[in-house]
Amino acid sequence: KQEVTQIPAALSVPEGENLVLNCSFTDSAIYNLQWFRQDPGKGLTSLLLIQSSQREQTSGRLNASLDKSSGRSTLYIAASQPGDSATYLCAVRPGNYGQNFVFGPGTRLSVLP
Amino acid sequence: GAVVSQHPSWVICKSGTSVKIECRSLDFQATTMFWYRQFPKQSLMLMATSNEGSKATYEQGVEKDKFLINHASLTLSTLTVTSAHPEDSSFYICSARTRVSSYNEQFFGPGTRLTVL
Repeated sequence: KQEVTQIPAALSVPEGENLVLNCSFTDSAIYNLQWFRQDPGKGLTSLLLIQSSQREQTSGRLNASLDKSSGRSTLYIAASQPGDSATYLCAVRPGNYGQNFVFGPGTRLSVLP
Repeated sequence: GAVVSQHPSWVICKSGTSVKIECRSLDFQATTMFWYRQFPKQSLMLMATSNEGSKATYEQGVEKDKFLINHASLTLSTLTVTSAHPEDSSFYICSARTRVSSYNEQFFGPGTRLTVL
């Protein structure tokens, strides 16, 4: 059974810092992996989607990497801003097409001005 | 990107009443729709998967008679919480999967906060 963990559970950094959020999954047979942002009381905003055949994806100040063999993904945020404060969720879609996302518990990020 | 809407965005009801939540894919046809539940400070947990015109498939531990799912068309799925109780209070998020993208991408709605008094 696929399990997803995220480290750290919470992170507080001063504005301008570069930071890395970590995601680990137990079964390397995945279809894809997706990073989401969730603001308090709100739904999910998709940040980056990495297919199983890809190693990384970039969007603006965000870069996500995927290492299937080791069961890891990282989300790199450059030059953090207070507006980046949110919970970041990693979700893995198992290798069987019909299966649904397995979500990690999330990392709560606070970027202090 | 594709848009998924939910209605209502929040609802407060008395214990014992039923509440219906709608999920719509606005600009695409969804082959499959999913319903998740999220308790405070916890991650999303899949409740059920539904395909248009078929019965929903429920995850273990989710009562199908309590959480009624109807997937009447390729753009609409409804979740009805029957005889709601305070422990059903949660954030309910729907998601829709499309064939449009070659990767069969999945899009999430904004969520519905249910509070049962």
